Amino acid sequence: EVQLVESGGDLVQPGGSLRLSCVGSGFTFGSYWMAWVRQAPGKGLEWVAYMKEDGGEIYYVDSVKGRFTISRDNTKNSLYLQMNSLRVEDTAVYYCARGVYDFDFWGQGTLVTVSS
Amino acid sequence: DIVMTQSPDSLAVSLGERATINCKSSQSILYSSDNKNYLAWYQQKPGQPPKLLIYWASTRASGVPDRFSGSGSGTDFTLTISSLQAEDVADYYCHQYYHTPRTFGQGTKVEVK
Repeated sequence: EVQLVESGGDLVQPGGSLRLSCVGSGFTFGSYWMAWVRQAPGKGLEWVAYMKEDGGEIYYVDSVKGRFTISRDNTKNSLYLQMNSLRVEDTAVYYCARGVYDFDFWGQGTLVTVSS
Repeated sequence: DIVMTQSPDSLAVSLGERATINCKSSQSILYSSDNKNYLAWYQQKPGQPPKLLIYWASTRASGVPDRFSGSGSGTDFTLTISSLQAEDVADYYCHQYYHTPRTFGQGTKVEVK
C-alpha cells in the first residue's frame, strides 16, 4: 500500500523558517517525481514545487521562488521542503504528492501557520 | 500561466440524480503529439487529502466507481457523477498538467439537495 506521511508543520513567526518532511512507503520512491501542494484554510489547491526522480529537474511556483527549496533523499525515501522568509500568506496545509502529471497519491498533510 | 475556471462554484443535487461540473482552461491542454488532454479531476472530502478520480481527462483511476466519468477536449472539460450518492458530497477540483506551473480550478462544492 502506497503511503506518504508528512511532518514538520508548526506555528512560526513571519520571516521565520521551517523544514517539512515526507516519507514514502509501499512503492519505489526513487522512481517517481514528487511534489508539494498546499491548501490555505478554506481555499483551493496550489501546486508549490516538484522534483524529478534523481533531483535533476526542479520547478517552483513563482510565489515561493528564492524562499523555498525542495530536496529529496532517495536512500531514506524522503522528500523535503525548506521554507525560509515565511509570510502570513504561506499559511496552509502542505501535502506531499506523487507524480509529475496527475498526482495519484497524497499524504494527509501538515499544517504550517505563519503568524505573530 | 494556464488559468482553470470551474463552474458552478457549488451545486446541490438530489440523491440518485446527475451532477455535472465544468472546467475551462485558458488555453488548449491537448498535446498534439500524443493526442492526450493533460487534465485530471480530484475529489476532496472534509478533513481529507485530495483523491485522484480521473486522469488524461477521461481515464478513471483505480478503484473509482464507474458513476464518475470525465469528458471534453482542448479547453472545455466535464466531470459527471451519473447518480449522486451520499458519499459523493465533497469538493471537486480540475487540474492541468500540460504546463508548469501546474494549476487547479477553484473547486466546486457538491451537496445533497
